[in-house]
Order: sequence, then structure tokens, then C-alpha cells
Amino acid sequence: AQSVTQPDIHITVSEGASLELRCNYSYGATPYLFWYVQSPGQGLQLLLKYFSGDTLVQGIKGFEAEFKRSQSSFNLRKPSVHWSDAAEYFCAVGRSGGGADGLTFGKGTHLIIQP
Amino acid sequence: NAGVTQTPKFQVLKTGQSMTLQCAQDMNHEYMSWYRQDPGMGLRLIHYSVGAGITDQGEVPNGYNVSRSTTEDFPLRLLSAAPSQTSVYFCASSYTPPGEGVSPLHFGNGTRLTVT
Repeated sequence: AQSVTQPDIHITVSEGASLELRCNYSYGATPYLFWYVQSPGQGLQLLLKYFSGDTLVQGIKGFEAEFKRSQSSFNLRKPSVHWSDAAEYFCAVGRSGGGADGLTFGKGTHLIIQP
Repeated sequence: NAGVTQTPKFQVLKTGQSMTLQCAQDMNHEYMSWYRQDPGMGLRLIHYSVGAGITDQGEVPNGYNVSRSTTEDFPLRLLSAAPSQTSVYFCASSYTPPGEGVSPLHFGNGTRLTVT
């Protein structure tokens, strides 16, 4: 079965600084990988996804993520964070043919932005 | 375009009471699912549906029932509420299987349930 690990429960970053959120996955074949963001009191919104091809994928709100097969990682990055980026971030892994139960979420990383 | 609508936003129940969390989507999505979100646990799948009349269990189905009589609606029923069911519940829908991500999962804004 697939699984996702987000090692950092909380991360604090100063506004304007760069950001990297870590995600490691476990899945036998080539995974489908996603990052979702949850603003306070809201549902989750898709930031970006990786299926195949270029291992560096661009998403919304200036985020990008890099798929590294050798490290089983899919880390999320942003060069300069804004106060509005404060939110909960979830990494998720999917599988081909998985149907509606084929998406597994990590436990999330809570991002705090310091002024 | 309303997307995924969940009602109510907040609910307090006493142990043993039953209730239904409502979920409706207006995007003609076949795939719908219910997740619960608990601190430090991320999102866990309760039940899901791949179309009207078809439902199945997810990771944590005990204590919950679902039905899917129409494409639009996917209610979640708590049969006899327990304090362990205190959580935030999210309904989600997608046009294609969510694990394949061809179309994104659309989430509602959640229902915060407290069972005392």
C-alpha cells in the first residue's frame, strides 16, 4: 500500500524567505504525487501535481515541487513566502487504477509566517 | 458555480444521537468521498462513491453510513455518535478517479462536529 510521510509538523519562516516542505512517499511503481493547501476554515485546494515527464513541476501561487525517484521525495518549494502562505500543506500520493480510494494523504505541515 | 457544498458548518451532538452531514456538488462529478481530519492524523477516507448507487468503505468506515441516490448528493450518516467521532469532516468530488489526479479533487469547506 502507498504511504506518505511529512517529517515536519510545524515550520516557521520569515516573510520573504525561501521555503521547502518535505514529503517522502512509499509506492512500488511510479506514483502520482500532489500537494494540497488548506487555509484556515477552508477545504483543501490543489497546488500542483506530478504524473510523469519533467521532474520539476510548477503550481499555483508561485509554488514548485521536484520529484526525486532516488530519494522517494516530492518536496515543495517557494523562493519567497508571503504572509498569505500561512496554511496547512498536505502531500498526497495516488495510484493508477486506484479509483476513489486511490489517494493517500500525509499528516500535514503547518506553515507559520513571521513578519 | 457553487462547487461542493457541505451543511451544516458546525454541529454539537450528544453521545448516542444520530445525524446526517449533507454534501452536494453541482459539477456532475462521478467520484465523491468523505474524509475526516484530526490533529496530527491528516485526512483519512471514511467512505467513497464512484457513481450513483455505488459506494464503498474507506480507511475508517465504522460508525458511518453513506448512500448515493443521485450524482449530486452524498450524505454521511452518523448512526450513534461517539466522542471519538469529534472531528472536521470534508466532502470531496472529482470528475476522474482522485488517485490519478487527471482532474483535481474539489473539497467542501468542512463540517466541524463535536460529540459530548
